[in-house]
Amino acid sequence: AQKVTQAQTEISVVEKEDVTLDCVYETRDTTYYLFWYKQPPSGELVFLIRRNSFDEQNEISGRYSWNFQKSTSSFNFTITASQVVDSAVYFCALSDPANGDKLSFGAGTTVTVRA
Amino acid sequence: NAGVTQTPKFRILKIGQSMTLQCTQDMNHNYMYWYRQDPGMGLKLIYYSVGAGITDKGEVPNGYNVSRSTTEDFPLRLELAAPSQTSVYFCASSTGVHYGYTFGSGTRLTVV
Repeated sequence: AQKVTQAQTEISVVEKEDVTLDCVYETRDTTYYLFWYKQPPSGELVFLIRRNSFDEQNEISGRYSWNFQKSTSSFNFTITASQVVDSAVYFCALSDPANGDKLSFGAGTTVTVRA
Repeated sequence: NAGVTQTPKFRILKIGQSMTLQCTQDMNHNYMYWYRQDPGMGLKLIYYSVGAGITDKGEVPNGYNVSRSTTEDFPLRLELAAPSQTSVYFCASSTGVHYGYTFGSGTRLTVV
């Protein structure tokens, strides 16, 4: 069963538009961790954020913000005023005891920002 | 601080050849992982290790072997390369899965 679902395969926006990437996770554990990674066209995988299940506070880092809602098992990611450099594949991931020592990755969402 | 280093960055293999993808980390992480990423697709776990001398299969281990003789190194061996193994291979390490992974820059492998 898919533990992390990123329903949006591709999103295309024009520069300066906001874009929200959805991430829905599945776990029966009360303690777990959620992550977002970015993979730009150059190919490397870059860590963006880590959030534990006890911290539902939203987080903002520059133009990036994350909305964690346990009630809906979602950890959504918003890019405000998108720029061409935001074009990348974004992966959501889950760490929970049921999956042992491995992260469960979503399939990724490709974001294309057009100038 | 080098982080996770993968070599080579690119390689072309002929069908039936073998090779070893090297991965080394200098962060003293116990956990190490190998993933493959096919074009336009997500990450699939091949093998992982929770410490020196311990390895375990991921979801797509067939055609690959690993060893972990030291904390720093986690080489991935391809035996009898097949076109289906054409992919980008990522090595990652972690101090503990709850902290997430640090990824290497990847090895792009083409089997022809």
